[in-house]
Amino acid sequence: GQQVMQIPQYQHVQEGEDFTTYCNSSTTLSNIQWYKQRPGGHPVFLIQLVKSGEVKKQKRLTFQFGEAKKNSSLHITATQTTDVGTYFCAGPGPHNNDMRFGAGTRLTVKP
Amino acid sequence: DTAVSQTPKYLVTQMGNDKSIKCEQNLGHDTMYWYKQDSKKFLKIMFSYNNKELIINETVPNRFSPKSPDKAHLNLHINSLELGDSAVYFCASSRLSSYNEQFFGPGTRLTVL
Repeated sequence: GQQVMQIPQYQHVQEGEDFTTYCNSSTTLSNIQWYKQRPGGHPVFLIQLVKSGEVKKQKRLTFQFGEAKKNSSLHITATQTTDVGTYFCAGPGPHNNDMRFGAGTRLTVKP
Repeated sequence: DTAVSQTPKYLVTQMGNDKSIKCEQNLGHDTMYWYKQDSKKFLKIMFSYNNKELIINETVPNRFSPKSPDKAHLNLHINSLELGDSAVYFCASSRLSSYNEQFFGPGTRLTVL
């Protein structure tokens, strides 16, 4: 099935710095989803991107879907300690209702 | 009201034992999933059911057997537990479309001694 590759695996930033995680696929994706998992918590859906070149914003979070629909990014402006967690992208798998998760980017924020 | 609930939250057991994890969703979703998350945080799909029918059955040892008595419940039974089964197991649910978000349960942390 399709697989999404996510980088970096870890990112340590000082509070106030920006953060970006990238998700790449070798094949065109019909859609891509982003989730956040706080330490000790469960993955929580953030957003879905469907259209080529789509850009969506949620406060300090900006999500982009590439023109070729093979890559996506999540950018956080001016990180806060509440942004700590693991961010996952997920792309469609081979079955109906099947999303396959990237390896995740673990973000730590130093106050 | 918890949307997706799992029991138990923690499970500590000896190698060779058989255990079950239960999952229930009150969202009216048609699709339910089991994921395994290892110590490196990788989320691996194990099974999914659509309306009680098994759809996804990844390369999982047959010691793992999912059971869906109705579309609101998906339980996971594990026979002859091994050390490598230690992980966090997440149940999730979604509506019947690839474009729908998944709602995850709080997870069950399984420790096999």
